[in-house]
Amino acid sequence: EDKVVQSPLSLVVHEGDTVTLNCSYEVTNFRSLLWYKQEKKAPTFLFMLTSSGIEKKSGRLSSILDKKELFSILNITATQTGDSAVYLCAVEARTSGTYKYIFGTGTRLKVLA
Amino acid sequence: EAQVTQNPRYLITVTGKKLTVTCSQNMNHEYMSWYRQDPGLGLRQIYYSMNVEVTDKGDVPEGYKVSRKEKRNFPLILESPSPNQTSLYFCASSLLGGPYGGYTFGSGTRLTVV
Repeated sequence: EDKVVQSPLSLVVHEGDTVTLNCSYEVTNFRSLLWYKQEKKAPTFLFMLTSSGIEKKSGRLSSILDKKELFSILNITATQTGDSAVYLCAVEARTSGTYKYIFGTGTRLKVLA
Repeated sequence: EAQVTQNPRYLITVTGKKLTVTCSQNMNHEYMSWYRQDPGLGLRQIYYSMNVEVTDKGDVPEGYKVSRKEKRNFPLILESPSPNQTSLYFCASSLLGGPYGGYTFGSGTRLTVV
């Protein structure tokens, strides 16, 4: 059965700290891994990763994929209160004629001022 | 503005009263999908559609119906809602096979069935 597991479930840090969020997966026919940030309502897209070892970066956020060990990490440096959110990891899997995303349950990050 | 529009945002209804949640996207995306989000369970796919008149079940399709008569619209139908369908629902769309992948999500519909 395809699954995506995120850890930790929840994290509380102070502003300025660096955090690392983890996502491991077991899926057939892996195509890509995506990170989303969910604040009040709809998730918003952060990164898509398809190749091992290539870091994607956007400001203080960065992410990398290891396709051999089947995991990805999302790093946030110099955290701010606006980073407080649930971070979702999703894996795109394709089999003949079908195409689906499997989501993890998310990591809830709270950044204290 | 490129977006996925869901309506309504909030809905409280009674058991057994048929309802429809609408979803429309203006990005010409082929792929559309419905998810429900419950605490501790994450986002679970209900139904998806790879193009007009092509729909398929996701992981939790029981109690739901969908249709895809036009590319831009993908309504979710609950013929006889039950309290276990109380949840936060998201519609999402994406290009099929596009190089950048990723969904665009609607703003969500919080449904309560009493």
